[in-house]
Amino acid sequence: AQSVTQPDIHITVSEGASLELRCNYSYGATPYLFWYVQSPGQGLQLLLKYFSGDTLVQGIKGFEAEFKRSQSSFNLRKPSVHWSDAAEYFCAFMMDSSYKLIFGSGTRLLVRP
Amino acid sequence: DTEVTQTPKHLVMGMTNKKSLKCEQHMGHRAMYWYKQKAKKPPELMFVYSYEKLSINESVPSRFSPECPNSSLLNLHLHALQPEDSALYLCASSQGVRETQYFGPGTRLLVL
Repeated sequence: AQSVTQPDIHITVSEGASLELRCNYSYGATPYLFWYVQSPGQGLQLLLKYFSGDTLVQGIKGFEAEFKRSQSSFNLRKPSVHWSDAAEYFCAFMMDSSYKLIFGSGTRLLVRP
Repeated sequence: DTEVTQTPKHLVMGMTNKKSLKCEQHMGHRAMYWYKQKAKKPPELMFVYSYEKLSINESVPSRFSPECPNSSLLNLHLHALQPEDSALYLCASSQGVRETQYFGPGTRLLVL
């Protein structure tokens, strides 16, 4: 079955440290991949997306993600985390000819001062 | 501009009330969505409208009734809800199939 997994429920990093959030998907073809961020009580903001082409994707707020077909992964990275990055992060993918976004369970990022 | 607006921001209703949630986008998108999000969970798709026609209903109870009066506007009519329907209701829109979905800020609904 098609699915996306975010193995880390919570991650805590110190401000200024680097960050990597993991995302793995299960799908027979190349999916469309997304990372969204959600602050408490807010809607989802698109950070970045991968459809095709260059496997290293740059997004907003200094985030990047790398698509690795061999590992079925699309991990999100940031070289230096800011306190304002504390939020819930959702990885999502979309199948061929589909409207449906399939979300991972989310990773809550906590930032230590 | 990638803005989707939703009103109201918060809504409290009794189980016998009728209320409506409203969503608007002016990006020329032809697909619009309703999602339900419970606390500490990812969003779950409820409905998809494509070119103002309902194209997906994810087996949502009939106490939720969507409406798409025009290509910019999406409503969700609520009637006889249950306390377990309390959640954040998110609207999204996209250009079309397999396109990026842009989300609104949501309506926080509490059913008493």
